[in-house]
Amino acid sequence: QQPVQSPQAVILREGEDAVINCSSSKALYSVHWYRQKHGEAPVFLMILLKGGEQKGHEKISASFNEKKQQSSLYLTASQLSYSGTYFCGILIKAAGNKLTFGGGTRVLVKP
Amino acid sequence: DTEVTQTPKHLVMGMTNKKSLKCEQHMGHRAMYWYKQKAKKPPELMFVYSYEKLSINESVPSRFSPECPNSSLLNLHLHALQPEDSALYLCASSLDASSYNEQFFGPGTRLTVL
Repeated sequence: QQPVQSPQAVILREGEDAVINCSSSKALYSVHWYRQKHGEAPVFLMILLKGGEQKGHEKISASFNEKKQQSSLYLTASQLSYSGTYFCGILIKAAGNKLTFGGGTRVLVKP
Repeated sequence: DTEVTQTPKHLVMGMTNKKSLKCEQHMGHRAMYWYKQKAKKPPELMFVYSYEKLSINESVPSRFSPECPNSSLLNLHLHALQPEDSALYLCASSLDASSYNEQFFGPGTRLTVL
């Protein structure tokens, strides 16, 4: 039931854009996005609650396609501070209030 | 106060020891969680407490014993652990255990079992 994230890793130059995808084989209640820097706790970015919803935080935004059971995270005009591992977490309709994380996408932004 | 605190930061224990991890939050959250995270892997849910009652146990071995003495505190009691239990143990809390609420994570306890 673990969601599948792609790509597994991405290297960017400052100012470049990237997309991280998260897909599930099960119907979803919600999708959560977190970023974890090395040696630190995961930090919440955003939650998407219904189909078609898009949210943004500064130049990081996300969309949720409920029909396709997919979410995408968009890193726009990336900054050095965007480096870290991004996890999507999903709540599946059949599994109660249990957040299951994808395998993570490691993002490195270089100057 | 918008943080989750965890103690200790690091813990080294032998396989016959008994130790406890502690987690505290003062945000008025009524859901608290324990996760286990191995290197380069995502956090894996172990337990969920909702309104101080255990609501989810992800088939965790009995050598891990959670306890929620009150709405602000969450403990994880450890006994007779195995070397493969070495990991980062993260505590998190949220307003409640519904799907709408973000989870706030503590910095974790890095556990090494010898």
